[in-house]
Amino acid sequence: DIQMTQSPASLSASVGETVPITCRASENIYSYLAWYQQKQGKSPQLLVYNAKTLAEGVPSRFSGSGSGTQFSLKINSLQPEDFGNYYCQHHYGTPYTFGGGTKLEIK
Amino acid sequence: QIQLVQSGPELKKPGETVKISCKASGYTFTDYSMHWVKQAPGKGLKWMGWINTETGEPTYADDFKGRFAFSLETSTITAYLRINNLKNEDTATYFCARRWSYGHYPFDYWGQGTILTVSS
Repeated sequence: DIQMTQSPASLSASVGETVPITCRASENIYSYLAWYQQKQGKSPQLLVYNAKTLAEGVPSRFSGSGSGTQFSLKINSLQPEDFGNYYCQHHYGTPYTFGGGTKLEIK
Repeated sequence: QIQLVQSGPELKKPGETVKISCKASGYTFTDYSMHWVKQAPGKGLKWMGWINTETGEPTYADDFKGRFAFSLETSTITAYLRINNLKNEDTATYFCARRWSYGHYPFDYWGQGTILTVSS
């Protein structure tokens, strides 16, 4: 099974900052990588898929990059509503493994 | 609009059975597979498996073989997750999520989650 390793596990940043989150796959997943945002008590929402394609309605301050085994999600000009948990997941095939998550707190 | 609406919270005792529903609307049901994801309290997301909405064939992740069963009721466009012989460690929020069946796609719509509490 493909393992997904996400870092950092948590971070605190100020409004307006740029925040990077990274995700590493244990084997080549080409560009089949998705990012989700989850707020407390809510279901995950798709942000990015195919490593860099923004889902419908996602603000352009979010961007994804990478291929193969190394990926990143960048949030430019952090907004207060961006707090929450972020998960990567490969969508290359079953089992669709998730990363351990990154908790983003706003300073 | 596209919706996946799940059944309400459940409180069960160890050894009992629970059946969680996920009713789809706003899209062609058979174009998307249905997946189930577990989130234990304070923990991350864990993929449980999926069901082929055309054939009804379920596939389970290794950790969810045995007590877990996925099923469909096509007349009501509803997917179900049944968990038998409940254990304390089944306490979690369970999500259904759809995935476009034709290619490598992510989970683009999710249900609101069903909170299951297992306690004696």
